[in-house]
Amino acid sequence: EAAVTQSPRNKVTVTGGNVTLSCRQTNSHNYMYWYRQDTGHGLRLIHYSYGAGNLQIGDVPDGYKATRTTQEDFFLLLELASPSQTSLYFCASSDWTGVAEQFFGPGTRLTVL
Amino acid sequence: GDSVTQKQGQVTLSEDDFLFINCTYSTTTYPTLFWYVQYPGQGPQLLLKVTTANNKGISRGFEATYDKGTTSFHLQKASVQESDSAVYFCALVPNSAGNKLTFGIGTRVLVRP
Repeated sequence: EAAVTQSPRNKVTVTGGNVTLSCRQTNSHNYMYWYRQDTGHGLRLIHYSYGAGNLQIGDVPDGYKATRTTQEDFFLLLELASPSQTSLYFCASSDWTGVAEQFFGPGTRLTVL
Repeated sequence: GDSVTQKQGQVTLSEDDFLFINCTYSTTTYPTLFWYVQYPGQGPQLLLKVTTANNKGISRGFEATYDKGTTSFHLQKASVQESDSAVYFCALVPNSAGNKLTFGIGTRVLVRP
């Protein structure tokens, strides 16, 4: 069974704060993704990676950095958090194959005051 | 660019009602089409996937047909249960873009007992 875990599950920070969201997958998948989910927008891709050390830009990357340290671990960094980044963040992983199913984590709810 | 349109923000039904959720898409390629379902407090999970035009995907009593002529991929279920209450996302992967999913905004389905 595919497994994607995220930490923390909830985070509150202030404007200008520094936040790191963590994701780990135990699926031996090559692709990992970070999404944000907002009402009226669905899920939007922030960054993704196809292996350790690789980073690809998604559709809404402004204000976010990401780093893939190992095949298992993918981090999302908000260095100067803003209220517009208040959202529900999901990590996902998938296999090499071109149109493979993505397996999502349980999400991190981030509030920027 | 690629896009997915779900016009229904919320659908409210009673148990045993028929469910129909609209989804249309726009892309220059021949996409693979997905329905993902998100239950309360969880990340999205794959409900069904169709890779070939005019094929049908069936899973857990839900079905969707990939109609290249009308660029639609509507989701339907003959008789819903309270446990089907969730948010349903239509999504696509253009064949040239690997694993990068484009999601619709989602349709919240509320089934009353």
